[in-house]
Amino acid sequence: AQSVTQLGSHVSVSEGALVLLRCNYSSSVPPYLFWYVQYPNQGLQLLLKYTSAATLVKGINGFEAEFKKSETSFHLTKPSAHMSDAAEYFCAVSENSGGYNKLIFGAGTRLAVHP
Amino acid sequence: EAGVTQFPSHSVIEKGQTVTLRCDPISGHDNLYWYRRVMGKEIKFLLHFVKESKQDESGMPNNRFLAERTGGTYSTLKVQPAELEDSGVYFCASSQDLYSGLSYNEQFFGPGTRLTVL
Repeated sequence: AQSVTQLGSHVSVSEGALVLLRCNYSSSVPPYLFWYVQYPNQGLQLLLKYTSAATLVKGINGFEAEFKKSETSFHLTKPSAHMSDAAEYFCAVSENSGGYNKLIFGAGTRLAVHP
Repeated sequence: EAGVTQFPSHSVIEKGQTVTLRCDPISGHDNLYWYRRVMGKEIKFLLHFVKESKQDESGMPNNRFLAERTGGTYSTLKVQPAELEDSGVYFCASSQDLYSGLSYNEQFFGPGTRLTVL
């Protein structure tokens, strides 16, 4: 069965500092991997996805993630944090069967950005 | 284009009562998913509709939960009777049909319904 582990339920960075949110997955088949973000009182928004093309994936708002098969990781990074990045971030893997994509999520990482 | 909407945004009920959550997917999306997040835990899959048919309900916790999608448009999730452990945030998501030509059909999420059972 597929699973996702996000290391660190809370991460705090200074504005302008590097953001690194960790995600490790387990999957017996080539995975589809995702990062979602949830801002307060909003739904989950897709930041970026890996679907077996380029291993370095660029998403919205300056975020990117690198798929590393040997490490079974898909860590999310942003070179310079902005106050507006404060939110909860979820890593997910997809069980893709016949075009239907049930998502398996990690427990989430809440990112705080301080001045 | 309107996104996925969910109603109500919050619901507080007592143990033993019944609650019905509603999800309106993006127009034209055949796939509709329900997920749930219990406080502090991961978001977990509950079930998946393709149009009005249940494709996968392997995540439904027990028979106190009943999901419907009459006519293949909006969906309801009823909890009867509610128990304390049912508290959490219930998310709905929708995606395009299987034959849209995409290798992956992105799921668009609603804002969730926060259910509190006292």
